[in-house]
Amino acid sequence: GQQVMQIPQYQHVQEGEDFTTYCNSSTTLSNIQWYKQRPGGHPVFLIQLVKSGEVKKQKRLTFQFGEAKKNSSLHITATQTTDVGTYFCAAHSGYSTLTFGKGTMLLVSP
Amino acid sequence: GEEVAQTPKHLVRGEGQKAKLYCAPIKGHSYVFWYQQVLKNEFKFLISFQNENVFDETGMPKERFSAKCLPNSPCSLEIQATKLEDSAVYFCASRGRDIRTDTQYFGPGTRLTVL
Repeated sequence: GQQVMQIPQYQHVQEGEDFTTYCNSSTTLSNIQWYKQRPGGHPVFLIQLVKSGEVKKQKRLTFQFGEAKKNSSLHITATQTTDVGTYFCAAHSGYSTLTFGKGTMLLVSP
Repeated sequence: GEEVAQTPKHLVRGEGQKAKLYCAPIKGHSYVFWYQQVLKNEFKFLISFQNENVFDETGMPKERFSAKCLPNSPCSLEIQATKLEDSAVYFCASRGRDIRTDTQYFGPGTRLTVL
């Protein structure tokens, strides 16, 4: 089935530094979604990317979908302590099933 | 409702006991999904439903796990004869009818601890 590889597994930054997490697939993806899970919380949908080369921004977050639709990235500019959590990418395998990457845990020190 | 509801929040079972988890999807959503998240944060897809019909059960352990989504009732995930490795947070998610939007909304999860 569909597999998405996500790196890094973990990153610790100082507040104000930038952060990027990457997702890669060996197969072409129809779309990719990003979720954020706070410690002890549940995944919250952030965004869906559909088009080749698509770039979307949400305030300090920038999401990109590769030209070949095999990779995606989430970049956070000037991290804040509220950005702490695990960020997951997810892609569809089959009609409805989402396959999640293993997530990148972000820690931000004040 | 506008949120996916899951009960109970926490469930503790002795090894070999039965565990039953419940999920009420967002009103009007046609699809329900169950995921298992273990300590390393990895999500494992278990099963999905389209209304009361099983849609995809490729992740479902065959022997001890079962799930239902009956009309006018919360969906349920049942584990017979729990094992230590079943300890995890079980998330339910629901999605609307429009596959193009395809946003999944997750419930708060049920933390199952098997002792």
